[in-house]
Amino acid sequence: GNSVTQMEGPVTLSEEAFLTINCTYTATGYPSLFWYVQYPGEGLQLLLKATKADDKGSNKGFEATYRKETTSFHLEKGSVQVSDSAVYFCALSDQDGNQFYFGTGTSLTVIP
Amino acid sequence: EAQVTQNPRYLITVTGKKLTVTCSQNMNHEYMSWYRQDPGLGLRQIYYSMNVEVTDKGDVPEGYKVSRKEKRNFPLILESPSPNQTSLYFCASSSNTGQGYTEAFFGQGTRLTVV
Repeated sequence: GNSVTQMEGPVTLSEEAFLTINCTYTATGYPSLFWYVQYPGEGLQLLLKATKADDKGSNKGFEATYRKETTSFHLEKGSVQVSDSAVYFCALSDQDGNQFYFGTGTSLTVIP
Repeated sequence: EAQVTQNPRYLITVTGKKLTVTCSQNMNHEYMSWYRQDPGLGLRQIYYSMNVEVTDKGDVPEGYKVSRKEKRNFPLILESPSPNQTSLYFCASSSNTGQGYTEAFFGQGTRLTVV
């Protein structure tokens, strides 16, 4: 079946540090991959996406590349800010496009 | 503005008292779903609906009911709430964008406490 495994948290970084949150997936066929972000007290918002192998999704300085050979979609940012403090969820939608599968979420705290 | 609206945002209730959490979307999406979010467990799907009058169980459906009488609304019903249903609940809607992927939109969440 389909599943997403992401790095356990919480993660605490100093401002301007480099961020990597690991995500691997198991899926049949050709899923689409997503990173969602949840700021305190809010719902989930789409951060970035990639719909086919080798695609790179990017937004707000965050990037992730769809690696089919390693079934991974790791989230990276070169220099984090305090405002990036949130919970990050890796997700996939199956080939049919409607079922979403989420990882457990990784809490990130950035300290000044 | 495209949005998914859940109500209420916060609810404290007692064991056994029936409650309904409403969810409405204005994007004409076919697909809607309910999730619960618990620490260390991430998001778990409760029920989903592929279209009007079509619903199906997700991973954790026990103790919940849903209905989809209209395309825009997808209420979550707890007939007899218990303390283990204390959680943060999210409604989501999605639709194939026509560009090869589906994007999900989430409500703001409902924090439910059952005492």
